[in-house]
Amino acid sequence: QVQLQESGPGLVKPSETLSLTCSVSGASISSYYWSWSRQPPGKGLEWIGYFHNSGTNYNPSLKSRVTISVDTSKNQFSLKLSSVTAADTAVYFCARGSSHGYYYYYMDVWGKGTTVTVSS
Amino acid sequence: DIQMTQSPSSLSASVGDRVTITCRASQSISSYLNWYQQKPGKAPKLLIYAASSLQSGVPSRFSGSGSGTDFTLTISSLQPEDFAIYYCQQSYSPAFGQGTRLEIK
Repeated sequence: QVQLQESGPGLVKPSETLSLTCSVSGASISSYYWSWSRQPPGKGLEWIGYFHNSGTNYNPSLKSRVTISVDTSKNQFSLKLSSVTAADTAVYFCARGSSHGYYYYYMDVWGKGTTVTVSS
Repeated sequence: DIQMTQSPSSLSASVGDRVTITCRASQSISSYLNWYQQKPGKAPKLLIYAASSLQSGVPSRFSGSGSGTDFTLTISSLQPEDFAIYYCQQSYSPAFGQGTRLEIK
């Protein structure tokens, strides 16, 4: 059974870098599309991006500030979001993305989410 | 950017009702469309992928259809556990719709 668990600071100061880790159990991190999404309080979901061994893909609105990377030795992947503001306050979800063909990308296993607040 | 518009934004229905939620893309996305269900305080759950394929373990009362720009999620007979928020997500240039809140009438 595949399980994902987010971890990282719950409070980040404005202008600093948000860093989160997702630990994966039950699946090899060397394949799939390892993904991040977020949900501001009371709002809808926003896709952040994914890492795949063929490359990364990021939301254009966040691309200049986002890095998603994988640590195969630890079976983890991570999210870094730089220059954060209060607008980056959200619940952050990691997810496993699967595909059965080009452009057919869907997130079939999710972590429970972790709340990150941006405040001084 | 491809814009995804869901309708309605909220919907009231009763147990046993047949419900349809629509998602429209601002340009053709073939069948690159997924549907998720989210309950309060929980992570989203994948229901339908590639417009019409039912995710393993999801009840057969859920179905998806459509291609190009117009897609629908149908729940054939609402159960109490189906009251939630539903999101479409296009995977051509990944993005979510704004969500449809399904409430008990």
